[in-house]
Amino acid sequence: AQSVSQHNHHVILSEAASLELGCNYSYGGTVNLFWYVQYPGQHLQLLLKYFSGDPLVKGIKGFEAEFIKSKFSFNLRKPSVQWSDTAEYFCAVGIYGTSYGKLTFGQGTILTVHP
Amino acid sequence: EPEVTQTPSHQVTQMGQEVILRCVPISNHLYFYWYRQILGQKVEFLVSFYNNEISEKSEIFDDQFSVERPDGSNFTLKIRSTKLEDSAMYFCASSEGQGDQPQHFGDGTRLSIL
Repeated sequence: AQSVSQHNHHVILSEAASLELGCNYSYGGTVNLFWYVQYPGQHLQLLLKYFSGDPLVKGIKGFEAEFIKSKFSFNLRKPSVQWSDTAEYFCAVGIYGTSYGKLTFGQGTILTVHP
Repeated sequence: EPEVTQTPSHQVTQMGQEVILRCVPISNHLYFYWYRQILGQKVEFLVSFYNNEISEKSEIFDDQFSVERPDGSNFTLKIRSTKLEDSAMYFCASSEGQGDQPQHFGDGTRLSIL
């Protein structure tokens, strides 16, 4: 069975700092990869997704992620964070083709951005 | 932007009682899902539903759980006889297609079993 791990439980940054959140998955086949964000009191929202093609994907609010197949990684990046990026971030993996859309989530990373 | 809506936002129930969590998926979506998140743990897949039947379910989704789409708009999760360990946040999600279509999540229902 596939699993997803996120390296950091809680990241604290100052505004304008650069962000990288790690995500690794274990599955040897083709995967669909997602990053979701949950702002305080809100639902999970899709930040970006990778299905195929260019391994560098851009999402909303200036976020991007790079799929490195050889490292089974899909790290999330943002060059300059804002206070409003304070939220919990979830990496999720779906198995292409064989699963009816089931997502496997990482444990989440809480990002706190100080103004 | 259309949203997935869940009711109630918080449900408190005595152990052993039945509980029904309700969801209204996005209207043109065909695939429906339930996930749960026990406090401090990962979001876990429970079940997926398509064409009025379960497509896939996890080991968590035992005989105490059932899902139903009673009409054209609602999607419900029923827990027949709740246990303390069922206390969690339950999320409903829907998508237009499977796999390569992103899932849209509701705000969740916090279920507290006493």
